[in-house]
Amino acid sequence: QQQVKQSPQSLIVQKGGISIINCAYENTAFDYFPWYQQFPGKGPALLIAIRPDVSEKKEGRFTISFNKSAKQFSLHIMDSQPGDSATYFCAASGRTGGFKTIFGAGTRLFVKA
Amino acid sequence: EAGVTQSPTHLIKTRGQQATLRCSPISGHTSVYWYQQALGLGLQFLLWYDEGEERNRGNFPPRFSGRQFPNYSSELNVNALELEDSALYLCASSWKFGVTQGAAYGYTFGSGTRLTVV
Repeated sequence: QQQVKQSPQSLIVQKGGISIINCAYENTAFDYFPWYQQFPGKGPALLIAIRPDVSEKKEGRFTISFNKSAKQFSLHIMDSQPGDSATYFCAASGRTGGFKTIFGAGTRLFVKA
Repeated sequence: EAGVTQSPTHLIKTRGQQATLRCSPISGHTSVYWYQQALGLGLQFLLWYDEGEERNRGNFPPRFSGRQFPNYSSELNVNALELEDSALYLCASSWKFGVTQGAAYGYTFGSGTRLTVV
């Protein structure tokens, strides 16, 4: 019930293409769904986040799509660039479990120039 | 604004020894979280401190412990080190939230402490 399942494990995309990473959760008490980006040797950095009262949130080239009924959400990276090559983690948090954030297993994205 | 700072950056210990990792949160953040990131794996929740108290704990043995000081900085202690404790230990901080606020917020992570147990 506390898990967040993330796919794919790794992703290779051509420069200019669209990168799509999917996540699914089980616990409907989660009410905050952030995405983090991590470069080698660094801690994860908050990229974009969404709450379940909206179905989509866009910030620049990054968009979260949220499907509350299916308990799924995804990250779309438009016009993917080599500098986007990193590991991406979806996450979920909320009142359940004392507000700790549960992370997906991560997706290693490589954007080919 | 200074970010979350962790020290040391790297730490090499021998099996059976104790390790102490330190974290200073962003000014104004009262919640501190510790995560373990083993090589190639995701982030496993270790501990959450808020206002000096342990609020939640992940599925780790008691030899993983910590505390939060009055200035909200935090310390993670790992006793009786085992080889499998080798990992990147990440500290994150956030604004205080709880029942009265009822909302979760994103974390700001530090760059981590790379612990190697030999």
